[in-house]
Amino acid sequence: QLQLQESGPGLVKPSETLSLTCTVSRGSIGSTDYYWGWIRQPPGKGLEWIGSIYYSGSTYYNPSLESRVTISVDTSKNQFSLRLTSVTAADTAVYYCARLTVGGLFDYWGQGTLVTVSS
Amino acid sequence: EIVLTQSPDFQSVTPKEKVTITCRASQSIGSSLHWYQQKPDQSPKLLIKYASQSISGVPSRFSGSGSGTDFTLTINSLEAEDAAAYYCHQSSILPWTFGQGTKVEIK
Repeated sequence: QLQLQESGPGLVKPSETLSLTCTVSRGSIGSTDYYWGWIRQPPGKGLEWIGSIYYSGSTYYNPSLESRVTISVDTSKNQFSLRLTSVTAADTAVYYCARLTVGGLFDYWGQGTLVTVSS
Repeated sequence: EIVLTQSPDFQSVTPKEKVTITCRASQSIGSSLHWYQQKPDQSPKLLIKYASQSISGVPSRFSGSGSGTDFTLTINSLEAEDAAAYYCHQSSILPWTFGQGTKVEIK
């Protein structure tokens, strides 16, 4: 069964850049049938889609975050990554990576990683 | 952006009761509406896709219905393990959006 695992720092200082990587195992990130994405969830709150990427590198982002977000893919490592610049306390959240079908539904999720923005 | 509004926000239910959660979209999204279950300290899990299609491995007591702007998730004969937050999600129009969630508590 497909597995996704997020990794990266759990603490980021305000105004700095948040960087996370999602490693995909038991499946290929190069599949033409799927996209790969990031979703976040502030503590005690709901889910927010951040953005998604295809294996070819084509991306689409949530307009609310687009000016600060970059998602990239490394097919040789079966990984994709998230960069979020100029973070504030409002960016504190559990960040999930997930696989998306072509239809846009999230069928596999990572376990999530908590990122706290604090000095 | 399409806004999804769920109701209720919270529901306390006795085991074996029937639970109904609704999700209303701010504009028509056809059948591109999906439901997820999130148990405490876990990642969301896909329950229902495209409004009413079942997912392999999900108990049959979970069902979905609706199209256009109004959708319903039904849990027939609630079990203790169903205590969770439930989210609807639309994949009709970018940006993908989620409902605010409905928390189901077992009495």
